[in-house]
Amino acid sequence: DGGITQSPKYLFRKEGQNVTLSCEQNLNHDAMYWYRQDPGQGLRLIYYSQIVNDFQKGDIAEGYSVSREKKESFPLTVTSAQKNPTAFYLCASSIRGLTPGANVLTFGAGSRLTVL
Amino acid sequence: AQKVTQAQTEISVVEKEDVTLDCVYETRDTTYYLFWYKQPPSGELVFLIRRNSFDEQNEISGRYSWNFQKSTSSFNFTITASQVVDSAVYFCALSEAGPGTYKYIFGTGTRLKVLA
Repeated sequence: DGGITQSPKYLFRKEGQNVTLSCEQNLNHDAMYWYRQDPGQGLRLIYYSQIVNDFQKGDIAEGYSVSREKKESFPLTVTSAQKNPTAFYLCASSIRGLTPGANVLTFGAGSRLTVL
Repeated sequence: AQKVTQAQTEISVVEKEDVTLDCVYETRDTTYYLFWYKQPPSGELVFLIRRNSFDEQNEISGRYSWNFQKSTSSFNFTITASQVVDSAVYFCALSEAGPGTYKYIFGTGTRLKVLA
């Protein structure tokens, strides 16, 4: 079955450490996204990528980095520069249609990062 | 600016009751898309419905129905005869249809608890 796999599901990090969250999809989608979810704040866009080797900052990109070397993969690195990284991180993908805003997002099950 | 408001933070109902989740949006565009997603305890968001700004026809899918009213900028979601499996967080989202637009604005979500 096609879908999005995020790993790890739970991750603990000490302050000052970088961590990388994995996101892999086998849906043949061109566009991929990273969202951060905090209680009471909904989903906020961190980065998105429309095509391999290209990505754009979202609303809260500071302290995060991404790469898109393969169509199937869009890893997110939470760097030590991120002041408050404890959150639930969701990866999503969609087709790259002619009307981007119409595309339905398919989500992974998320990764919960806790900074100790 | 785009904005999605889900004023109901949490709703509790008893099984078999009907429940309506409210969604009010703001946008200056004439062409846009509205979505509802369900987030069960497992974490991943599941797509429920998409509606474009030119289609105000209400939709029914089994126990689910959606009422889109441009005059009040609302896109409300009703569950008829609720079941325990409907317990989840529900998100309303808005996107604009401009070229190269990959930004979806999510509301803060409504947590629905259906009690047996």
